[in-house]
Amino acid sequence: DGGITQSPKYLFRKEGQNVTLSCEQNLNHDAMYWYRQDPGQGLRLIYYSQIVNDFQKGDIAEGYSVSREKKESFPLTVTSAQKNPTAFYLCASSIDPEGLNTEAFFGQGTRLTVV
Amino acid sequence: RKEVEQDPGPFNVPEGATVAFNCTYSNSASQSFFWYRQDCRKEPKLLMSVYSSGNEDGRFTAQLNRASQYISLLIRDSKLSDSATYLCVVTYDYKLSFGAGTTVTVRA
Repeated sequence: DGGITQSPKYLFRKEGQNVTLSCEQNLNHDAMYWYRQDPGQGLRLIYYSQIVNDFQKGDIAEGYSVSREKKESFPLTVTSAQKNPTAFYLCASSIDPEGLNTEAFFGQGTRLTVV
Repeated sequence: RKEVEQDPGPFNVPEGATVAFNCTYSNSASQSFFWYRQDCRKEPKLLMSVYSSGNEDGRFTAQLNRASQYISLLIRDSKLSDSATYLCVVTYDYKLSFGAGTTVTVRA
């Protein structure tokens, strides 16, 4: 089955640690996105990538880093510089690099908690 | 001003009722519009796209008003399974901007 897979589902991080969230898709989509969702708020864009080996900052990129070495994979690293990393992280992909007029498919999300 | 604003609700309605709510957007050059549905602690899923002429999908009707910069969603004959948070999504250039969501609870 085609889809987008995030792992792990739950992740606990100690203060000062970097952690990497995995996102893999086998939909052959060009565009991939990382969003963060906090309670009572909408999804906020962290990073996006329209093509392999290229990515752009979104609205809240500080404290995060990404890579796009393969079309299928778009891992997100939450660094120790991110002051409030506890949140629900969602990865999405779209066949249209501009994200227009086509459906964005989401992974099941990763809940990150800083302990 | 937020790019996309929604009434958070909650809208508590009985089964069979009609419920409607709006979403406003700030960028007049916005290009595409969608409604997504998000169940508690789950990922969002596309409910329907919103076209300029308005469109229906079963019990769901979406409307776009570019002059006033809002989109709407109407749910007829509400079912218990319609209980969810409905996210308004507006696109411009590469970016999909999400509203915070409107929570709908349908009671028996």
